[in-house]
Amino acid sequence: DSGVTQTPKHLITATGQRVTLRCSPRSGDLSVYWYQQSLDQGLQFLIQYYNGEERAKGNILERFSAQQFPDLHSELNLSSLELGDSALYFCASSVGVEANYGYTFGSGTRLTVV
Amino acid sequence: AQSVTQLDSQVPVFEEAPVELRCNYSSSVSVYLFWYVQYPNQGLQLLLKYLSGSTLVKGINGFEAEFNKSQTSFHLRKPSVHISDTAEYFCAASTGRRALTFGSGTRLQVQP
Repeated sequence: DSGVTQTPKHLITATGQRVTLRCSPRSGDLSVYWYQQSLDQGLQFLIQYYNGEERAKGNILERFSAQQFPDLHSELNLSSLELGDSALYFCASSVGVEANYGYTFGSGTRLTVV
Repeated sequence: AQSVTQLDSQVPVFEEAPVELRCNYSSSVSVYLFWYVQYPNQGLQLLLKYLSGSTLVKGINGFEAEFNKSQTSFHLRKPSVHISDTAEYFCAASTGRRALTFGSGTRLQVQP
């Protein structure tokens, strides 16, 4: 157990729907990162939050949004889902805002859009 | 933009043989480098990292990596692999305040 908790582990939904993925960071970590892993794109950085504030954006679509709450858990919202959104979504956490601490990853949420 | 290139998508190797997984990065400034391992149906686990100092970095499970600034490389090595090392390995880089950029991964297949 890495200490980063992601729920649900699996999600199957239809095109056009909206889903919410949840992440609880490792105790003491203030940064949360979201990554998308797909066969054709590899691991793509989506967004980073640090202590409740958005810090960096990567290749995140406008249909996707995220937030980090006062208790530091984070949610990734995916709307108007398309078949191409099917992927593994990872959450990672770290102590600080910089990458030198390294990230601790959760086990991921596998999203299947049908 | 920063990029990380893993030159081999798959590396088959026999058990107890040595292995090297290659990684090159592009950055004109100081860079932090990482290797992660992903076992089937699991998240990524940190193997080792290079921040500064000694160019030879030792990690978990007997792995080590060497930072070569002139070659912009950070190759991962293990002198003797086990069946249990079969997994996907990812090289990643960051210039500090930017999030980690990952390579496309190398699948290490250890055969008996």
